[in-house]
Amino acid sequence: TQLLEQSPQFLSIQEGENLTVYCNSSSVFSSLQWYRQEPGEGPVLLVTVVTGGEVKKLKRLTFQFGDARKDSSLHITAAQPGDTGLYLCAGPNTGTASKLTFGTGTRLQVTL
Amino acid sequence: SAVISQKPSRDICQRGTSLTIQCQVDSQVTMMFWYRQQPGQSLTLIATANQGSEATYESGFVIDKFPISRPNLTFSTLTVSNMSPEDSSIYLCSALGVGVSTQYFGPGTRLTVL
Repeated sequence: TQLLEQSPQFLSIQEGENLTVYCNSSSVFSSLQWYRQEPGEGPVLLVTVVTGGEVKKLKRLTFQFGDARKDSSLHITAAQPGDTGLYLCAGPNTGTASKLTFGTGTRLQVTL
Repeated sequence: SAVISQKPSRDICQRGTSLTIQCQVDSQVTMMFWYRQQPGQSLTLIATANQGSEATYESGFVIDKFPISRPNLTFSTLTVSNMSPEDSSIYLCSALGVGVSTQYFGPGTRLTVL
């Protein structure tokens, strides 16, 4: 069974602070995705990382895929209240790539 | 991209009853999925909705409890049968677009069972 553990589970910070969310597994994934889910909505895909060591930037968000493709991180610079939400990493299941295993989730709250 | 709608958006039900949730996609998709998200938790895959055939269920989920239909490429239903308070969750539909690897999610159905 592929498991994705995220840390921290909860994060409450003030506007302007930086933060990093981690997604770790003992399994190798062919790719990892990061989603953000806001209250009352479904998850929305932020990025997909495919190559070990890959770094992708999306405005103030920086995503990194570990060299061994077992872990990933999401770094947010100068967080804003609009970044508030549940952040989820997800990876394709071994054998059925269209199915996703979701991480345990990190709930971020950014206050003024 | 695909836009997914779900009905109802929320419901409060009595134990022992059943609720059917509808999922409609605005474009053709290859695969459709149903997830459960318990309060404050992550998403757990319930099943893959197969067009014109029985759904494929994940470990811990059975057809008698969560019957699923997918009569065409853009529509699916999930029924939560004989509900108990433990079934209180958000149920989400997702779809995989044609030729892409991105899953699009509906807004979810928030179910409370009393």
